[in-house]
Amino acid sequence: KNEVEQSPQNLTAQEGEFITINCSYSVGISALHWLQQHPGGGIVSLFMLSSGKKKHGRLIATINIQEKHSSLHITASHPRDSAVYICAGGSARQLTFGSGTQLTVLP
Amino acid sequence: GAGVSQSPSNKVTEKGKDVELRCDPISGHTALYWYRQSLGQGLEFLIYFQGNSAPDKSGLPSDRFSAERTGGSVSTLTIQRTQQEDSAVYLCASSLDRSNEQFFGPGTRLTVL
Repeated sequence: KNEVEQSPQNLTAQEGEFITINCSYSVGISALHWLQQHPGGGIVSLFMLSSGKKKHGRLIATINIQEKHSSLHITASHPRDSAVYICAGGSARQLTFGSGTQLTVLP
Repeated sequence: GAGVSQSPSNKVTEKGKDVELRCDPISGHTALYWYRQSLGQGLEFLIYFQGNSAPDKSGLPSDRFSAERTGGSVSTLTIQRTQQEDSAVYLCASSLDRSNEQFFGPGTRLTVL
């Protein structure tokens, strides 16, 4: 069993829809990271959070430490949001990655 | 400002050859990480450097893999006697320190024929 599980694996949405990607982890972590990987392969860090909620533009990330669960929400989705979204549980020294969620937003 | 850079961007080599991959972290970042992303698979941790501390090598898949970080800045990942299963994208990331977000380089795509 992977220590960091994401769902869904694939998600297709229409432009404008509200999107939620879920992440559950079984490892002890000091922080939960959300990353975005575009088709060209570049990886961008979206959020790093250890409690509560963070918001950046149309992106919102939440974490529930007791339930070991995090969600990434995208409001008013747009085709340019199409990418692979990866959650990763971080100890002080390394990250354990989920398998990623392939998001496709159709115009 | 300059981000994390990696070179080469692509490397094709023959099985059995040695390769060196380079990472230039963001200036002032004390933490540096190497990851690998094999085709169709997720990211996996390889090695972590923090300042002058001994590196965490727990993710290196075999003793053919080694890495060093000179002067607390540039890092080199070396793969000796490459095998076809080493083909992957090798990603480097750096952070201000281990408790901050990581900034990723563009990766080096390694193909072992």
